[in-house]
Amino acid sequence: DTGVSQDPRHKITKRGQNVTFRCDPISEHNRLYWYRQTLGQGPEFLTYFQNEAQLEKSRLLSDRFSAERPKGSFSTLEIQRTEQGDSAMYLCASSLWEPHEQFFGPGTRLTVL
Amino acid sequence: ILNVEQSPQSLHVQEGDSTNFTCSFPSSNFYALHWYRWETAKSPEALFVMTLNGDEKKKGRISATLNTKEGYSYLYIKGSQPEDSATYLCAFFLFYKLSFGAGTTVTVRA
Repeated sequence: DTGVSQDPRHKITKRGQNVTFRCDPISEHNRLYWYRQTLGQGPEFLTYFQNEAQLEKSRLLSDRFSAERPKGSFSTLEIQRTEQGDSAMYLCASSLWEPHEQFFGPGTRLTVL
Repeated sequence: ILNVEQSPQSLHVQEGDSTNFTCSFPSSNFYALHWYRWETAKSPEALFVMTLNGDEKKKGRISATLNTKEGYSYLYIKGSQPEDSATYLCAFFLFYKLSFGAGTTVTVRA
């Protein structure tokens, strides 16, 4: 399968713990995006990479959040000192260039207890 | 923050019936509008990327129209089938990011 993959699919953690998610985009896609979706809302933009450069971060991305894309391939999203409000579906997407369709992964559902 | 609204929030359709729903978005600085279908436990799947005013796109029994001057798009499902049950999301594309509406959840009853 050559689609976007995300790992893990589900993560349950206790408040205050750190978590890290991984996204593997479609191999030839140089653009990579992270979104977050909470219940009853559409996905909200978090951050965007073009190759290895992080070009934009949403104001939703507090200092506890950090994303990387070393070597312009896979990406990681880390949340430090998780809070209950971080509970959400975290989606990763990749694309070739704008405004082409973005290909989404299945998401990582985070539950913070 | 771009205001993208979808209505209705949910709808129930009898198998074989046709239906449609709306996405409204800012009419200024238009670049592109995306439609996605998101089935439970699956990845959101792109349906259409629309860029031109008056554009109409079709994929099987699903079609979409675009009016950039007044800031709305319609999605139509003709002859609904149970496999059409999903949440349909529209998203306004600007400056390489998508601003999504909250979605319209369609349930097709057999």
